[in-house]
Amino acid sequence: GAGVSQSPSNKVTEKGKDVELRCDPISGHTALYWYRQSLGQGLEFLIYFQGNSAPDKSGLPSDRFSAERTGGSVSTLTIQRTQQEDSAVYLCASSMTSGSDEQFFGPGTRLTVL
Amino acid sequence: SQQGEEDPQALSIQEGENATMNCSYKTSINNLQWYRQNSGRGLVHLILIRSNEREKHSGRLRVTLDTSKKSSSLLITASRAADTASYFCATDHNQGGKLIFGQGTELSVKP
Repeated sequence: GAGVSQSPSNKVTEKGKDVELRCDPISGHTALYWYRQSLGQGLEFLIYFQGNSAPDKSGLPSDRFSAERTGGSVSTLTIQRTQQEDSAVYLCASSMTSGSDEQFFGPGTRLTVL
Repeated sequence: SQQGEEDPQALSIQEGENATMNCSYKTSINNLQWYRQNSGRGLVHLILIRSNEREKHSGRLRVTLDTSKKSSSLLITASRAADTASYFCATDHNQGGKLIFGQGTELSVKP
């Protein structure tokens, strides 16, 4: 079956603009995770969803970052008023349930803030 | 920070040799997972070892886990040029499945 997909694959934006990143998890996976990978910080957890609820948002770096998930499927990560330090690859993963399961990662969205 | 540490940061070997990468973590885990990443994009899951397991095999991969030392190792036997990639360990600390990643080991296998 289809894996996790993310769009866009690349996004270049100007500082101060808002961006939306999309993640389509594997069908039937109830848990969805967002991570960020940047040169200085490695791979860091941002937020996860179990169904449409986000029990853990502890990794979101600031209140400019938000995420939602609707219908237990697609998720969007929104970054408002982007800053240059937001430049990174944003990775989405899904798993059957939250906890103790293999996570399947999407190809990521490379965000560049000029 | 719970972030794990991996060593070496970079490893260069010849095809046919074995590659060993190590990972250490700080707090108790539910499971530990190893991932591979090519060209800085999507991560591919390699193997998951649970806290009550000590060793797991998958093809040319062998993973060990020592919870008393809070460490794990990934052994790739008979390496191939196609194994060239970055390898990450990730720990699940029973917090809803969120993973804490190490900084990764960059493996280069020369033909």
